[in-house]
Amino acid sequence: QVQLQESGPGLVRPSETLSLACTFSGGSISTYYWGWIRQPPGKGLEWIGYIYHSGSTDYNPSLKSRDTISVDTSKNQFSLKLSSVTAADTAVYYCARTGGGWSFDFWGQGTLVTVSS
Amino acid sequence: QSALTQPASVSGSPGQSITISCTGTSSDVGGYNYVSWYQHHPGKAPKLMIYEVSNRPSGVSNRFSGSKSGNTASLTISGLQAEDEADYYCSSYTSSSTLVVFGGGTELTVL
Repeated sequence: QVQLQESGPGLVRPSETLSLACTFSGGSISTYYWGWIRQPPGKGLEWIGYIYHSGSTDYNPSLKSRDTISVDTSKNQFSLKLSSVTAADTAVYYCARTGGGWSFDFWGQGTLVTVSS
Repeated sequence: QSALTQPASVSGSPGQSITISCTGTSSDVGGYNYVSWYQHHPGKAPKLMIYEVSNRPSGVSNRFSGSKSGNTASLTISGLQAEDEADYYCSSYTSSSTLVVFGGGTELTVL
């Protein structure tokens, strides 16, 4: 069974860089796309971007190129960095595997990141 | 404001059927058969219930079914059970540069 787990600081100061990692087990990083999704408090879900095991990426343009997703196949891990954060970036961040038909078939439990001084 | 429109809440009694709608445009829901539905119990990982409009992943109860007509997709849950009480989100591929859009979520209450 594929399992994903997010990790990283729960508090980030404004203008700094948010860094999260997602470690997965129960499968291979190959073949699939691996992505990040977030949910601000009281709002809906927002797709952030994804990475393929080869390293190719695609991002939601709404993040205005502040985000970077990378993968470490040796650790079964992929990461998100979001620069120049503001309070608007406060959200629960989920990592997920992209399955068929642009669905997300396995998700982590999510981690709350608060941007505050 | 979310790209896809869902009702904020629906409710039903045990054993009844309910339907949650998800309305988009011809650039997303109406243009592609890439609509997915997720069940989310707060504090837990969201769970994929339906993909590609009407396909159920292995292990998902056949009480859950999906369909689409024009720009509106629907999730139907039959034989409601207490454990179905959760938030439900739809998503769709979109031809815009965003690639994937979500609905705002629907809170299902089992009375």
